[in-house]
Amino acid sequence: GESVGLHLPTLSVQEGDNSIINCAYSNSASDYFIWYKQESGKGPQFIIDIRSNMDKRQGQRVTVLLNKTVKHLSLQIAATQPGDSAVYFCAETPPGKLIFGQGTELSVKP
Amino acid sequence: DGGITQSPKYLFRKEGQNVTLSCEQNLNHDAMYWYRQDPGQGLRLIYYSQIVNDFQKGDIAEGYSVSREKKESFPLTVTSAQKNPTAFYLCASSNGQGHTDTQYFGPGTRLTVL
Repeated sequence: GESVGLHLPTLSVQEGDNSIINCAYSNSASDYFIWYKQESGKGPQFIIDIRSNMDKRQGQRVTVLLNKTVKHLSLQIAATQPGDSAVYFCAETPPGKLIFGQGTELSVKP
Repeated sequence: DGGITQSPKYLFRKEGQNVTLSCEQNLNHDAMYWYRQDPGQGLRLIYYSQIVNDFQKGDIAEGYSVSREKKESFPLTVTSAQKNPTAFYLCASSNGQGHTDTQYFGPGTRLTVL
Protein backbone atom coordinates (compact mmCIF):
# COMPACT_ATOMS: atom_id res chain seq x y z
CA GLY A 1 0.00 0.00 0.00
CA GLU A 2 1.12 3.60 -0.65
CA SER A 3 0.01 6.98 0.59
CA VAL A 4 0.48 10.41 -0.87
CA GLY A 5 1.56 12.22 2.25
CA LEU A 6 -0.53 15.04 3.54
CA HIS A 7 -3.24 14.69 0.87
CA LEU A 8 -4.11 11.14 1.89
CA PRO A 9 -4.02 10.99 5.67
CA THR A 10 -4.96 7.31 6.01
CA LEU A 11 -3.35 4.20 4.62
CA SER A 12 -4.80 0.73 5.07
CA VAL A 13 -2.67 -2.34 4.35
CA GLN A 14 -2.95 -6.07 4.81
CA GLU A 15 -0.77 -7.70 7.44
CA GLY A 16 2.41 -8.95 5.82
CA ASP A 17 2.33 -6.46 2.95
CA ASN A 18 4.86 -3.68 2.56
CA SER A 19 3.77 -0.12 3.39
CA ILE A 20 5.00 3.08 1.84
CA ILE A 21 4.29 6.38 3.55
CA ASN A 22 5.17 9.55 1.68
CA CYS A 23 6.04 13.04 2.79
CA ALA A 24 6.56 16.16 0.72
CA TYR A 25 8.76 18.65 2.50
CA SER A 26 8.86 22.33 1.81
CA ASN A 27 12.31 23.78 2.38
CA SER A 28 15.18 23.00 0.04
CA ALA A 29 17.61 24.14 2.76
CA SER A 30 16.53 21.32 5.09
CA ASP A 31 19.48 19.01 5.71
CA TYR A 32 18.12 16.50 8.20
CA PHE A 33 14.92 14.49 8.14
CA ILE A 34 13.30 12.29 10.74
CA TRP A 35 10.42 9.83 10.79
CA TYR A 36 8.37 9.40 13.94
CA LYS A 37 5.69 6.88 14.90
CA GLN A 38 2.92 7.93 17.24
CA GLU A 39 0.50 5.44 18.73
CA SER A 40 -2.83 6.66 20.01
CA GLY A 41 -2.52 8.67 23.24
CA LYS A 42 1.27 8.39 23.34
CA GLY A 43 4.23 10.57 22.49
CA PRO A 44 6.01 10.26 19.14
CA GLN A 45 8.71 7.62 18.92
CA PHE A 46 11.82 8.09 16.81
CA ILE A 47 12.04 5.55 13.97
CA ILE A 48 14.80 6.56 11.61
CA ASP A 49 16.57 9.62 10.29
CA ILE A 50 18.51 10.61 7.20
CA ARG A 51 20.90 13.42 6.32
CA SER A 52 20.63 15.31 3.06
CA ASN A 53 23.92 13.86 1.79
CA MET A 54 22.27 10.43 1.62
CA ASP A 55 19.41 9.16 -0.50
CA LYS A 56 18.66 5.93 1.34
CA ARG A 57 19.02 4.57 4.83
CA GLN A 58 17.89 1.24 6.21
CA GLY A 59 16.89 0.18 9.66
CA GLN A 60 15.19 -2.85 11.05
CA ARG A 61 12.24 -3.48 8.68
CA VAL A 62 12.21 0.21 7.72
CA THR A 63 13.85 2.12 4.90
CA VAL A 64 13.84 5.86 4.34
CA LEU A 65 14.33 7.27 0.86
CA LEU A 66 15.15 10.90 0.17
CA ASN A 67 14.71 12.58 -3.20
CA LYS A 68 16.01 16.12 -2.89
CA THR A 69 15.21 16.97 -6.50
CA VAL A 70 11.49 16.81 -5.85
CA LYS A 71 11.69 17.38 -2.07
CA HIS A 72 10.17 14.03 -1.26
CA LEU A 73 10.73 11.64 1.60
CA SER A 74 9.29 8.17 2.02
CA LEU A 75 9.19 5.55 4.73
CA GLN A 76 8.95 1.92 3.70
CA ILE A 77 7.89 -0.68 6.23
CA ALA A 78 8.52 -4.28 5.25
CA ALA A 79 6.12 -7.08 6.25
CA THR A 80 3.74 -4.73 8.04
CA GLN A 81 2.46 -6.03 11.36
CA PRO A 82 -0.57 -5.05 13.49
CA GLY A 83 1.81 -3.35 15.93
CA ASP A 84 2.79 -0.97 13.15
CA SER A 85 -0.66 0.64 13.27
CA ALA A 86 -0.07 4.28 14.23
CA VAL A 87 0.28 7.77 12.84
CA TYR A 88 3.59 8.33 11.07
CA PHE A 89 4.94 11.79 10.46
CA CYS A 90 8.07 13.23 9.01
CA ALA A 91 10.04 16.21 10.25
CA GLU A 92 12.44 18.44 8.34
CA THR A 93 15.06 20.84 9.59
CA PRO A 94 15.48 24.07 7.68
CA PRO A 95 18.12 26.27 9.36
CA GLY A 96 17.24 26.89 12.99
CA LYS A 97 13.93 25.04 12.97
CA LEU A 98 12.30 21.65 13.12
CA ILE A 99 9.04 21.39 11.18
CA PHE A 100 6.66 18.46 11.55
CA GLY A 101 4.21 17.23 8.95
CA GLN A 102 0.59 16.42 9.75
CA GLY A 103 1.07 12.70 9.59
CA THR A 104 -0.39 9.64 7.88
CA GLU A 105 -2.44 7.12 9.80
CA LEU A 106 -1.45 3.54 9.02
CA SER A 107 -4.05 0.86 9.66
CA VAL A 108 -3.03 -2.79 9.40
CA LYS A 109 -5.74 -5.33 8.62
CA PRO A 110 -5.21 -8.84 10.00
CA ASP B 1 15.45 3.57 33.00
CA GLY B 2 16.46 6.67 31.06
CA GLY B 3 13.74 8.75 29.52
CA ILE B 4 11.36 11.65 29.60
CA THR B 5 8.41 11.73 31.95
CA GLN B 6 5.41 14.01 31.86
CA SER B 7 2.77 14.44 34.49
CA PRO B 8 -0.08 14.32 34.87
CA LYS B 9 -1.30 12.19 31.95
CA TYR B 10 -4.71 13.88 32.01
CA LEU B 11 -5.46 17.35 33.36
CA PHE B 12 -8.71 19.22 33.64
CA ARG B 13 -8.86 22.95 34.12
CA LYS B 14 -11.60 25.43 34.67
CA GLU B 15 -11.60 28.56 32.56
CA GLY B 16 -9.54 31.33 34.13
CA GLN B 17 -7.16 28.99 35.95
CA ASN B 18 -3.45 28.61 35.38
CA VAL B 19 -2.09 25.07 35.28
CA THR B 20 1.46 23.74 35.21
CA LEU B 21 2.54 20.67 33.25
CA SER B 22 5.60 18.81 34.43
CA CYS B 23 8.42 17.50 32.22
CA GLU B 24 11.48 15.72 33.60
CA GLN B 25 14.32 13.97 31.76
CA ASN B 26 17.22 11.89 33.04
CA LEU B 27 18.98 11.65 29.69
CA ASN B 28 21.40 14.47 30.53
CA HIS B 29 20.15 16.33 27.48
CA ASP B 30 20.93 20.02 27.13
CA ALA B 31 17.88 21.07 25.14
CA MET B 32 14.21 20.68 26.00
CA TYR B 33 11.08 21.58 24.06
CA TRP B 34 7.34 21.96 24.50
CA TYR B 35 4.92 21.24 21.67
CA ARG B 36 1.21 21.39 21.29
CA GLN B 37 -0.66 18.83 19.17
CA ASP B 38 -4.22 19.35 17.96
CA PRO B 39 -6.28 16.74 16.06
CA GLY B 40 -5.25 16.48 12.43
CA GLN B 41 -2.40 18.93 12.83
CA GLY B 42 1.34 18.66 13.12
CA LEU B 43 3.25 19.53 16.27
CA ARG B 44 3.64 23.23 16.94
CA LEU B 45 6.51 24.56 19.02
CA ILE B 46 5.56 26.56 22.11
CA TYR B 47 8.88 27.16 23.89
CA TYR B 48 12.33 25.65 23.87
CA SER B 49 15.40 25.83 26.07
CA GLN B 50 18.89 25.07 24.85
CA ILE B 51 20.57 25.49 28.22
CA VAL B 52 19.72 25.98 31.88
CA ASN B 53 18.35 29.41 32.79
CA ASP B 54 17.67 30.26 29.17
CA PHE B 55 14.63 29.70 26.97
CA GLN B 56 13.18 31.01 23.73
CA LYS B 57 9.68 31.48 22.35
CA GLY B 58 8.53 29.12 19.68
CA ASP B 59 5.81 29.67 17.10
CA ILE B 60 2.83 29.80 19.49
CA ALA B 61 4.17 31.09 22.83
CA GLU B 62 1.29 33.46 23.62
CA GLY B 63 -0.56 32.39 26.77
CA TYR B 64 2.22 30.07 27.93
CA SER B 65 5.24 30.46 30.22
CA VAL B 66 8.18 28.22 31.09
CA SER B 67 11.19 28.04 33.38
CA ARG B 68 14.46 26.10 33.20
CA GLU B 69 16.04 26.24 36.64
CA LYS B 70 17.44 22.71 36.41
CA LYS B 71 18.81 20.76 33.48
CA GLU B 72 16.39 17.91 34.16
CA SER B 73 13.20 19.94 34.38
CA PHE B 74 11.24 22.18 32.01
CA PRO B 75 7.75 22.90 33.36
CA LEU B 76 5.13 24.58 31.19
CA THR B 77 2.44 26.86 32.62
CA VAL B 78 -0.73 27.31 30.61
CA THR B 79 -2.12 30.65 31.70
CA SER B 80 -5.65 31.99 31.57
CA ALA B 81 -4.52 34.17 28.66
CA GLN B 82 -4.33 31.11 26.40
CA LYS B 83 -7.56 31.31 24.39
CA ASN B 84 -7.88 27.67 23.39
CA PRO B 85 -5.78 25.53 25.73
CA THR B 86 -7.48 22.17 25.20
CA ALA B 87 -4.86 20.04 23.44
CA PHE B 88 -2.28 17.28 23.80
CA TYR B 89 1.00 18.69 25.12
CA LEU B 90 4.30 17.01 24.35
CA CYS B 91 7.68 17.62 25.90
CA ALA B 92 10.88 16.60 24.14
CA SER B 93 14.60 16.75 24.73
CA SER B 94 17.72 16.48 22.59
CA ASN B 95 21.38 15.94 23.28
CA GLY B 96 22.64 18.89 21.30
CA GLN B 97 21.50 22.47 21.39
CA GLY B 98 20.45 22.72 17.79
CA HIS B 99 17.11 21.98 16.24
CA THR B 100 18.79 19.46 13.95
CA ASP B 101 19.50 17.09 16.80
CA THR B 102 17.06 14.23 17.15
CA GLN B 103 14.36 15.01 19.67
CA TYR B 104 12.97 12.34 21.97
CA PHE B 105 9.46 12.75 23.30
CA GLY B 106 7.66 12.13 26.54
CA PRO B 107 4.27 10.39 26.75
CA GLY B 108 2.28 13.63 26.71
CA THR B 109 -0.31 15.39 28.86
CA ARG B 110 -3.86 15.81 27.64
CA LEU B 111 -5.29 19.09 28.92
CA THR B 112 -9.02 19.71 28.82
CA VAL B 113 -10.64 23.00 29.75
CA LEU B 114 -14.06 22.55 31.26
